[in-house]
This record gives sequence, structure tokens and C-alpha cells, in this order.
Amino acid sequence: QKEVEQDPGPLSVPEGAIVSLNCTYSNSAFQYFMWYRQYSRKGPELLMYTYSSGNKEDGRFTAQVDKSSKYISLFIRDSQPSDSATYLCAMKKAGFQKLVFGTGTRLLVSP
Amino acid sequence: EAQVTQNPRYLITVTGKKLTVTCSQNMNHEYMSWYRQDPGLGLRQIYYSMNVEVTDKGDVPEGYKVSRKEKRNFPLILESPSPNQTSLYFCASSLERDGGADTQYFGPGTRLTVL
Repeated sequence: QKEVEQDPGPLSVPEGAIVSLNCTYSNSAFQYFMWYRQYSRKGPELLMYTYSSGNKEDGRFTAQVDKSSKYISLFIRDSQPSDSATYLCAMKKAGFQKLVFGTGTRLLVSP
Repeated sequence: EAQVTQNPRYLITVTGKKLTVTCSQNMNHEYMSWYRQDPGLGLRQIYYSMNVEVTDKGDVPEGYKVSRKEKRNFPLILESPSPNQTSLYFCASSLERDGGADTQYFGPGTRLTVL
């Protein structure tokens, strides 16, 4: 069993839709949770960063962490074609820099 | 501009021919790391370095070497490449060695094909 599970998609939605992306994990020691966005032929770029449980909002993006369920989510409101990319969840333990990644979910937003 | 750079961006080589992929960061980051990305497997850490002359194995180190002689550079060396090392490689760096509120910044990637 992988430490971090993520549905690979693709997830296809029309422009303006609300998108929900999710990851589950098995290691309760993870304390920091991140979402990276990766465009084709590019390196991952940090989108959202959350410590422990709770919500964090940044513009159209909201990250949620539920440590009791070992479940994290990224919501994208009013999705745009420019949001089409692969979204990677990543997490790490306190005191360590090693990131453990999900396999990524490919999102396609059609005009 | 703060960035992580990698060279080359694309490389096609043959089995057994030694190669080096360079990585450089201009942010004075202490921690640097190499990942490979494969379909269905995601990003997996190959090696990491917490400071100059301090390196350690990640999850998939077999067939790779690294060195950290300077803070800004962290080259990945494939002494005798094999076809199973065909992959997309990313270098990353972060300010702190031991984790915390900072995170890793990634280079643009190097697509390697070993024939």
C-alpha cells in the first residue's frame, strides 16, 4: 500500500465548475500538507501549504486537511481553462524535509 | 530571479555511457534533492543533501551518485545508465535542512532517454 493515494484522473470539467481534488494517506506522522500544480513539460510549483488540520484559502483555491480521516482536499472555485494541469499532493513529517507525493490528478477544464 | 536550473533539459543516450545532470540554485538554500517522475509512480526521491558535503540516499538511489561540493550545485551522476533509468528528473531545493514551514522549489526537469 502506498503511503499517499491519489486518483490519477483525468478529471474533466466545464469552465466555471467547482473542482474537488483529494488524497488519502496512511502515515499519521505527516504534519505538513502541500498541493503542487504541474503544467505539461514543467516542474511542480507550490500552490497551497497547510500545517496540521484545518482550512486555508487563497483566492479561488481552498485546501482542507482532516487528520482524523487522513484525508486532504483541494477545491478550485470558478475553474478556468488555465487551471488545466496535473495536481500533486505532497506531505512531510515535522523535522524532515522529505516530501512524499501522490501520483497526481490530471485536471482538464474545457471552455 | 530566484530559481532552480537544470541542464540539459533533454538528453538521449545509450546504455553504459556516463552522464551528469547539473542542478544549480541561486537562493542560498541548504537542502537540495533529486527526484524522478514516472507514470503511475509519481515523484520519488533519489538522493538528498542537507548541506555541503552531506548527502544521503532517498527511496530509489540504485544506479545514481551525487555530490555537493558547493552550496548552490547538486549534480546527479549516472555512471552506467540503463534503460530503466529513462525518466523525467527534477532537482529541488529548500531553505532549511530539517523541515518546517518552508517547502521545496523545483527545477524545470530533465527528460532522459537511455537506449
